[in-house]
Amino acid sequence: AQSVTQLGSHVSVSEGALVLLRCNYSSSVPPYLFWYVQYPNQGLQLLLKYTSAATLVKGINGFEAEFKKSETSFHLTKPSAHMSDAAEYFCAVSPYNQAGTALIFGKGTTLSVSS
Amino acid sequence: DTGVSQDPRHKITKRGQNVTFRCDPISEHNRLYWYRQTLGQGPEFLTYFQNEAQLEKSRLLSDRFSAERPKGSFSTLEIQRTEQGDSAMYLCASSSGLLGRGYSGNTIYFGEGSWLTVV
Repeated sequence: AQSVTQLGSHVSVSEGALVLLRCNYSSSVPPYLFWYVQYPNQGLQLLLKYTSAATLVKGINGFEAEFKKSETSFHLTKPSAHMSDAAEYFCAVSPYNQAGTALIFGKGTTLSVSS
Repeated sequence: DTGVSQDPRHKITKRGQNVTFRCDPISEHNRLYWYRQTLGQGPEFLTYFQNEAQLEKSRLLSDRFSAERPKGSFSTLEIQRTEQGDSAMYLCASSSGLLGRGYSGNTIYFGEGSWLTVV
């Protein structure tokens, strides 16, 4: 079964520092991969998605992620953190062209940004 | 495009009562999903509609849960005889896509969720 593992339930960075949120997936077939962000008391907003085109995916708010098949990873990065980036981040997987749930989410990583 | 709308945003109910949540998807979207999210966890899939047809249900959806999408537009999620373990946020999402169950490639948009507290 497909799944994602987010390493680190909580990541703290200083404003202006590099943001790195880790996600590893488990899938027997090439998956679609996603990063969503959730602000307090709000729904989820799509940051970016990988759908088997370019392995380096650029998203909104300066975030990007790189699909590495050899490492089964899809880590999210941002060169310089901003206070407004503080939120919960979820990695998700959808098996390519297979019946089943549309998205399977990881447990999330809370990003804190300090000034 | 007004986004995915959910109502109510917050509901407090006594154990044993029934509750119903409504979701209005983005108007041109034919796919609709319900997820449940508990504190400290990612969203967990509950059920999926393609137009009015309920194509998939998770094992999380016990017989106390029922979802409908009668005209292929809005959807309702009803929980009967609520239990404290049902306390969670219920998220609705929608997307466009061809018939079938696989991911369509189109963005899945989420609503802001309906918080349920069972006391």
